[in-house]
Amino acid sequence: AQRVTQPEKLLSVFKGAPVELKCNYSYSGSPELFWYVQYSRQRLQLLLRHISRESIKGFTADLNKGETSFHLKKPFAQEEDSAMYYCALLTGGGNKLTFGTGTQLKVEL
Amino acid sequence: EAQVTQNPRYLITVTGKKLTVTCSQNMNHEYMSWYRQDPGLGLRQIYYSMNVEVTDKGDVPEGYKVSRKEKRNFPLILESPSPNQTSLYFCASSMGQGVGEKLFFGSGTQLSVL
Repeated sequence: AQRVTQPEKLLSVFKGAPVELKCNYSYSGSPELFWYVQYSRQRLQLLLRHISRESIKGFTADLNKGETSFHLKKPFAQEEDSAMYYCALLTGGGNKLTFGTGTQLKVEL
Repeated sequence: EAQVTQNPRYLITVTGKKLTVTCSQNMNHEYMSWYRQDPGLGLRQIYYSMNVEVTDKGDVPEGYKVSRKEKRNFPLILESPSPNQTSLYFCASSMGQGVGEKLFFGSGTQLSVL
């Protein structure tokens, strides 16, 4: 069965420091992965998807099939990056999005 | 404004009293889904719908019902709520018959079952 693991519940970094939010997945098929973000008092929203290979708000994520990982990275953390981040895996022929347990990122001044 | 609207925002009820959480989207999306969010467990899918009159179970469907009579509405029904259904619930929709490009989420319904 598919599974998404985010090992860190809370990650606290100083402003300007690099950030890496870890995500590992387990899936026998061809994975399609996403990062969703939930800022305080806002709705959950898509941050980026691996197919697009884009950089959103300075964040990037590369799919590593060998390590079954999709870590989210940003070279210099900003205060406004503080939020809850969820990694998600699309399966079931595109009908099912399995979320990890989330990582709370706190950027301190 | 394109959005997913859930009601109510907060609900406190007692065990066994039937309740319905409504979800409506104005984007003509075919795919709709319900999730519950619990500390340490993340978001877990309850039910999803690929189109009108087409629904299917997610990972945690026990104790819940859904219906999709119209494209825009996807209500979540708890026939006999129990305390273990106390949670934060999110409705989401997406264009196409699958999750597709991205999910649009509602603002959530905090349910407490006493």
